[in-house]
Amino acid sequence: AQKVTQAQTEISVVEKEDVTLDCVYETRDTTYYLFWYKQPPSGELVFLIRRNSFDEQNEISGRYSWNFQKSTSSFNFTITASQVVDSAVYFCALSEAGSARQLTFGSGTQLTVLP
Amino acid sequence: GAVVSQHPSWVICKSGTSVKIECRSLDFQATTMFWYRQFPKQSLMLMATSNEGSKATYEQGVEKDKFLINHASLTLSTLTVTSAHPEDSSFYICSARPPRAGGYGYTFGSGTRLTVV
Repeated sequence: AQKVTQAQTEISVVEKEDVTLDCVYETRDTTYYLFWYKQPPSGELVFLIRRNSFDEQNEISGRYSWNFQKSTSSFNFTITASQVVDSAVYFCALSEAGSARQLTFGSGTQLTVLP
Repeated sequence: GAVVSQHPSWVICKSGTSVKIECRSLDFQATTMFWYRQFPKQSLMLMATSNEGSKATYEQGVEKDKFLINHASLTLSTLTVTSAHPEDSSFYICSARPPRAGGYGYTFGSGTRLTVV
């Protein structure tokens, strides 16, 4: 069975600080995908990144970066120089390569960036 | 591309009535769609997997007679909350996988906020 754990329920930082959101996953599959989504107060899910299990390269996109480590089953997300607009709930999710392929979400981390 | 349209965005209904939520894939065919429910300050929990032309697959603990899912075409899945009660108030969101995403990409609707009074 697949499982995603986001141990940080809420994080508050002051604008311009860096912040890392943790994600630990469990799966028996060797082929799987990991995702990060942002959910602002309006509710819609904003896709941030998808990473497959065979690609452990870290990725940077503007102020966002992701660190994928299979050895520790972690897929952490860092926001550099945070901004107030980054305030949202962030979800890490996992999809196995099975026939159903549904997404399993972590519990989410509420990030609040204070001015 | 790869847009999923979900309607309505919000709905308020009286206890005991039924509410239908639509999820449409606008520019691709979706043989499978997923329905999630999210209670305030909680995560998204998969309710059911909707399969075009066949019965939906419900997750454990989800009442199939209460949450009716119909996936009659390759672009439309509907979720009907029957005999709604206040405890059904939640945020419902659908998702589909566009084919060109290799089967592992997901597109989400904008969600429906249901309030039962």
